[in-house]
Amino acid sequence: DIVMTQTPLSLSVTPGQPASISCKSSQSLLHSDGKTYLYWYLQKPGQPPQLLIYEVSNRFSGVPDRFSGSGSGTDFTLKISRVEAEDVGVYYCMQSIQLPWTFGQGTKVEIK
Amino acid sequence: QVQLQESGPGLVKPSETLSLTCTVSGYSISSGYYWGWIRQPPGKGLEWIGSIYHSGSTYYNPSLKSRVTISVDTSKNQFSLKLSSVTAADTAVYYCVFPPDYWGQGTLVTVSS
Repeated sequence: DIVMTQTPLSLSVTPGQPASISCKSSQSLLHSDGKTYLYWYLQKPGQPPQLLIYEVSNRFSGVPDRFSGSGSGTDFTLKISRVEAEDVGVYYCMQSIQLPWTFGQGTKVEIK
Repeated sequence: QVQLQESGPGLVKPSETLSLTCTVSGYSISSGYYWGWIRQPPGKGLEWIGSIYHSGSTYYNPSLKSRVTISVDTSKNQFSLKLSSVTAADTAVYYCVFPPDYWGQGTLVTVSS
């Protein structure tokens, strides 16, 4: 299985300040079709995960532009340019290049 | 707008079979490339259970493979999950998904006598 490792596991951020989460995979997520199958989700309390970013850097419909994804191969980053109160929750990275799909442990973001 | 809704018993006895159904609306299940199930034990992370493809092929997490069956009923626009020989470790919120973007609200299944 591909192991997804997120850091940090928790983050306390002042509103308006930036935040960054790292996700490293144990194998490259670059497919022969040229796409990299790395996704970012946010799970707000009591809700299912919601897709933020697909294929490393593409914002899903309706996702604010303060969220951005970057990276390649095995190293990826989710950045929030200016954290807002509604951004609290647990962030997960996920890979779907290889079965079984696997998730990072999650990064809990809270507001100071 | 694609919507998914899980349904099934919220309480299952140890050693019995957990059965859940996902009803899809706003999209024909036969048009989707694949559908899947993901679970989340209380307070823990996410675990992919398995997927079923439009071809009918199924792929299961090796950690659960011997106990899992996923099937599709195109006439009802539903797909289902069966997990046999459950234990307390199978207590979780179960999500049906149309990956990567559409998730059901999830249903909590507790395994207890």
